[in-house]
Amino acid sequence: DQQVKQNSPSLSVQEGRISILNCDYTNSMFDYFLWYKKYPAEGPTFLISISSIKDKNEDGRFTVFLNKSAKHLSLHIVPSQPGDSAVYFCAAPFGGSNYKLTFGKGTLLTVNP
Amino acid sequence: DSGVTQTPKHLITATGQRVTLRCSPRSGDLSVYWYQQSLDQGLQFLIQYYNGEERAKGNILERFSAQQFPDLHSELNLSSLELGDSALYFCASSAGTASYEQYFGPGTRLTVT
Repeated sequence: DQQVKQNSPSLSVQEGRISILNCDYTNSMFDYFLWYKKYPAEGPTFLISISSIKDKNEDGRFTVFLNKSAKHLSLHIVPSQPGDSAVYFCAAPFGGSNYKLTFGKGTLLTVNP
Repeated sequence: DSGVTQTPKHLITATGQRVTLRCSPRSGDLSVYWYQQSLDQGLQFLIQYYNGEERAKGNILERFSAQQFPDLHSELNLSSLELGDSALYFCASSAGTASYEQYFGPGTRLTVT
């Protein structure tokens, strides 16, 4: 049962424009969310996170928005750069205090020059 | 560089064989997590160790086992390998205390022929 869902397998945007990556979750007990970026032949790299007590968290060009009532979060990248081309995963800790993560299947972002 | 190392990078073996994947966590991290990424799946949590003790299990097959040693490195043992075990196996580490962010190694690509 996929508790974290990324329904868009891929997204293509032009350099300089905004990239919006979406993620939905089913478990209302989730109280923290993370985004990871993954380049080919590398492991996932932590990008940004958000606690459920917030609805927005910003770090440079990256902003994550959380809509708890809709069980939806999104990652905005502004402006998008070719180096942002990667697979983006959203994830949430589950199962109590052991902090193991459940991941979505990922969205491949391609930023065209 | 996340500080997490995994060996080997690639492994090709035959069905029925047994392999061992190795992970060294970031310096100071007590928790180690193992994840599997198959072709059409996102990252699936397998098992977690904290300071040498098993803390949580995910969808890990009985043919798979892991351990964490006193120096905190971890090994994932896969036995009676099947074609379907071909996947990327990632190790991640975290401080393990009130820290959701996990830092991933570059992964081991296992191919079972």
